[in-house]
Amino acid sequence: AQTVTQSQPEMSVQEAETVTLSCTYDTSENNYYLFWYKQPPSRQMILVIRQEAYKQQNATENRFSVNFQKAAKSFSLKISDSQLGDTAMYFCAFMNPSGTYKYIFGTGTRLKVLA
Amino acid sequence: DTGVSQNPRHKITKRGQNVTFRCDPISEHNRLYWYRQTLGQGPEFLTYFQNEAQLEKSRLLSDRFSAERPKGSFSTLEIQRTEQGDSAMYLCASSLAATGGYGYTFGSGTRLTVV
Repeated sequence: AQTVTQSQPEMSVQEAETVTLSCTYDTSENNYYLFWYKQPPSRQMILVIRQEAYKQQNATENRFSVNFQKAAKSFSLKISDSQLGDTAMYFCAFMNPSGTYKYIFGTGTRLKVLA
Repeated sequence: DTGVSQNPRHKITKRGQNVTFRCDPISEHNRLYWYRQTLGQGPEFLTYFQNEAQLEKSRLLSDRFSAERPKGSFSTLEIQRTEQGDSAMYLCASSLAATGGYGYTFGSGTRLTVV
């Protein structure tokens, strides 16, 4: 069975600084997808970034980028130029592209951006 | 289309009562997912539909839980004889089956409190 581990329950960063959120996972599959979702307080989950395991190139979306290390089963999220609106819970998620497309989520990291 | 809509946003019920939640997905999405998120945890998969067919149910979905998606449009999740352990955020999400690997659109959730 696949598992996803986020070992940082809470983090804080000063506005305009860079922060990295960690995620590790365990799977015996070779092909899969990895995601980071953002969940602002009392609001819906929003997709931040997605990575396909067979692509070596790390995904980037504006200020958000990932460091995907397949052999180490590590998938960290880097947020550059942090903004107050980045304050949220961040969830790492694993998806097996077998047709169901269901997620296995980590326990989340609560990020607070300080003014 | 305003995204995935869930009602009610909050529900407080007494132990032993039945509750029903509703999810209205994005209209063209044929896949609909239910997840449960307890405090301090990431969302956990409960079940999903493709059109009106319920294709998979998690072991988390005890026989007190039932979900329907009549006519492949909105979905309802009913919990009978609620228990305090049912207190959680219930999340609905939708996608196209063909593009589910690119992520879903989540609703804002229904927060259930069983007292």
